[in-house]
Amino acid sequence: EVQLVESGGGLVQPGGSLRLSCAASGFTFSTYYLTWVRQAPGKGLECVAKIDPDGSGRYPLDSMKGRLTVSRDNAKNLLYLQMNSLRVEDTAVYYCATEDWWSLRAWGQGTLVTVSS
Amino acid sequence: QSALTQPPSASGSPGQSVTISCTGSSSDVGGYNYVSWYQQRPGKAPKLIIYDVTKRPSGVPDRFSGSKSGNTASLTVSGLQAEDEADYYCSSYVGSTTVSFGGGTKLTVL
Repeated sequence: EVQLVESGGGLVQPGGSLRLSCAASGFTFSTYYLTWVRQAPGKGLECVAKIDPDGSGRYPLDSMKGRLTVSRDNAKNLLYLQMNSLRVEDTAVYYCATEDWWSLRAWGQGTLVTVSS
Repeated sequence: QSALTQPPSASGSPGQSVTISCTGSSSDVGGYNYVSWYQQRPGKAPKLIIYDVTKRPSGVPDRFSGSKSGNTASLTVSGLQAEDEADYYCSSYVGSTTVSFGGGTKLTVL
C-alpha cells in the first residue's frame, strides 16, 4: 500500500524558515515524480513544487520562486520542501503526492504551516 | 486566480445524477487528455477519482465518470449518495511542468 506521511509543519514567524518532510513507502520511490501541493484555509489547491526522479526541481508558483527548494533522498525514501522568507499568505496545509502523467495518484494527510507573528 | 473554471457549487438529491464542469482553454483542457478529478471530504486529503479524462483508479465506484468536449471537461456522479458530499477539483496539464487546478466545486447532497 502506498503511504505518504508529511511532517515538519508548525507555527513560524513571518520571514522565518521551515523544512517539511514526506516519508514514503509502498512503492519504488526513486522512479516517481513527486509534487508538493498546498491548500490555504478555506481555499483551493495549488502546486508549489515538483521534483523529477533524478532530483531536478520545478517551482510553478511565481509567488514562491526563490523561496523554495525541493529535494529528495532516494536512499531513504524521503521528500523535502525547504521554505524560506515565509509570509502570512503561505499559511496552508501542505501535501505531498505522487505524480504520474500529470495526475496526483497518492496523497499524504498533510501538514499545517502557520505563518504568524 | 485558477486557470481552470469550475462552478462554486452543485447539488442533487440522493439517486440523482449531477455534472460538474471544468472549463479551460486549448492550451490545457482542450489540448491534452490529461484532465484529472479529485474528491476532498472535509478535513481530509484530496483523493484521485478520475485521470486521463475518463479513467478511474482501482476502487473508485463506476458512479463516477469523466468526459471532455472541446475546452470543457466534466465529472458526472450518478446515483448520488450522501457520502458523495465533498469538494471536487479538476486539474489539467497546462503545457508547462506541473498541473493547474480548478477552483473547486462544493457538491451538496440534498
